[in-house]
Amino acid sequence: EDQVTQSPEALRLQEGESSSLNCSYTVSGLRGLFWYRQDPGKGPEFLFTLYSAGEEKEKERLKATLTKKESFLHITAPKPEDSATYLCAVQAKGGSEKLVFGKGTKLTVNP
Amino acid sequence: TAGITQAPTSQILAAGRSMTLRCTQDMRHNAMYWYRQDLGLGLRLIHYSNTAGTTGKGEVPDGYSVSRANTDDFPLTLASAVPSQTSVYFCASSDTPGLAGGSDTQYFGPGTRLTVL
Repeated sequence: EDQVTQSPEALRLQEGESSSLNCSYTVSGLRGLFWYRQDPGKGPEFLFTLYSAGEEKEKERLKATLTKKESFLHITAPKPEDSATYLCAVQAKGGSEKLVFGKGTKLTVNP
Repeated sequence: TAGITQAPTSQILAAGRSMTLRCTQDMRHNAMYWYRQDLGLGLRLIHYSNTAGTTGKGEVPDGYSVSRANTDDFPLTLASAVPSQTSVYFCASSDTPGLAGGSDTQYFGPGTRLTVL
């Protein structure tokens, strides 16, 4: 069974304090790993898709990396507006359209 | 571009009543999905549709039904609501799934918050 575990569940940072969020996954064959950002009361907002180990993608203060067992979302010099819940999901090979989500990491960045 | 719209934004429903949650997308995506999000459980797939005229069951389909009469609309119906269906429901869409070597990003709507009493 495909599984996604995110850690930590919650993270508090001071503005400018860099850190990383972890997404560990078990999947029969990885077709893609997705990162989303979710603000309170809103739908998930797409950030990145990673397809193979070693791949990296960046967007502003965020950088996502992928290994064969986990993905990291690195946040460099975060700002209060980066506060949100970050969701990780995997999609398996074999023609399945299903995304399996982790429970998310709630990030709070204090000014 | 509006993307995905969902209606209603929120609803309180008496147990035993029926309700249809509406979802419309304007991106001409082939595939559409319904998820529910519950505290401590994350997002779980209810039903999906790879293309107009076809539907499939996800992880938690019991008590829900869907139809896909055209590309743009994907309504979710609760025939007889129960309190355990209290949740936030998200509709999503993606471009053609199932292509070899590809992965398809799902884009989400703003959600419908449903309370069943």
